Amino acid sequence: DAKTTQPNSMESNEEEPVHLPCNHSTISGTDYIHWYRQLPSQGPEYVIHGLTSNVNNRMASLAIAEDRKSSTLILHRATLRDAAVYYCILRKMNRDDKIIFGKGTRLHILP
Amino acid sequence: DARVTQTPRHKVTEMGQEVTMRCQPILGHNTVFWYRQTMMQGLELLAYFRNRAPLDDSGMPKDRFSAEMPDATLATLKIQPSEPRDSAVYFCASGLVLSRSTEAFFGQGTRLTVV
Repeated sequence: DAKTTQPNSMESNEEEPVHLPCNHSTISGTDYIHWYRQLPSQGPEYVIHGLTSNVNNRMASLAIAEDRKSSTLILHRATLRDAAVYYCILRKMNRDDKIIFGKGTRLHILP
Repeated sequence: DARVTQTPRHKVTEMGQEVTMRCQPILGHNTVFWYRQTMMQGLELLAYFRNRAPLDDSGMPKDRFSAEMPDATLATLKIQPSEPRDSAVYFCASGLVLSRSTEAFFGQGTRLTVV
């Protein structure tokens, strides 16, 4: 299974943009890039996913490198409620589409 | 507001006892995942089902764990006998596979403590 590499933790100031990086140099053509986050004492929740093109939704933006070997989750204006562990996950677009979580990045938001 | 429901939310049991955790997936979803989360190991995939059939349960200790879907509205994870090392938060998630890569919705988890 292709692996992802994320920083263990990051800090950002409230109301500023946050760029969360993810490296996935062994990504295959059948892998989608998914991001989930886990708020304290809650189950993980879906944030965004993409294949090749950049994606935007109400929660975040996903910027995917042209060679697809890295991606960046962008929170445009972080709030205290965005403090969570963010997971970058590769998920295959075939029958074996299980979701395997790594360690993720713990994001701290400073007021 | 559709959500995945897990019961019980908390369970304390003695070593050797049987534990059953239940999950009600979102109506119409055809994929169910079971995860275990501990501080040391993070989120581990135990098993997942598609249309009630197990697709992969390689992450589950076979000697004491079992997962089933008696019907489309209920998934169960059973531990028999339970051990202190099984103490963890167990999450269930469900999803609907239409375009081959869709989001999974997670429940609030069952916090299991085995003493």
